[in-house]
Amino acid sequence: DAGVIQSPRHEVTEMGQEVTLRCKLISGHNSLFWYRQTMMRGLELLIYFNNNVPIDDSGMPEDRFSAKMPNASFSTLKIQPSEPRDSAVYFCASRGGDDYGYTFGSGTRLTVV
Amino acid sequence: SQQGEEDPQALSIQEGENATMNCSYKTSINNLQWYRQNSGRGLVHLILIRSNEREKHSGRLRVTLDTSKKSSSLLITASRAADTASYFCATDSSGNTPLVFGKGTRLSVIA
Repeated sequence: DAGVIQSPRHEVTEMGQEVTLRCKLISGHNSLFWYRQTMMRGLELLIYFNNNVPIDDSGMPEDRFSAKMPNASFSTLKIQPSEPRDSAVYFCASRGGDDYGYTFGSGTRLTVV
Repeated sequence: SQQGEEDPQALSIQEGENATMNCSYKTSINNLQWYRQNSGRGLVHLILIRSNEREKHSGRLRVTLDTSKKSSSLLITASRAADTASYFCATDSSGNTPLVFGKGTRLSVIA
């Protein structure tokens, strides 16, 4: 099992550009979580899915952020248009069931200049 | 907003010493989990303790939970340089709600 796989690992983009972050879950895991990590705010939950259905997106900072889970093993987080304050490390994590620990990907370090 | 708050924010010890990190939280929980994050990497799950448990062990890790004080501690015994990382506590209010993470304790173990 390769674990949770995120791509790209690093992304540098200009303000106003669209950014798409990708996440491949562990097979059989039914919950997916997108977090953002910054020095100032720590780890913030952006959105999470259960069985491909978005459950709570109240952590998505603005309408510029959107997330999809087209199938049980894949999710995308899109920022359009991107702004410098979006610079952070974005993690996705999956879980096999309630009361289980999360498995995190290695993250995507996004820099918006 | 953070549910858990770790204390101290940073800790530096010599190899072989024990490291103790604390976590306090505000509302009732279903379980509490500890994670480790090495620099530039994702978080790694270490241990989960349920709200009806008081203590749990895993190798050199010992976790305690005091729900009356809304606090937990993580003890790493006989620390090694490889234990250098940030350690986070995280809580959920029920089995199907997401984890809320604290800001972490940065542990440095000096060889």
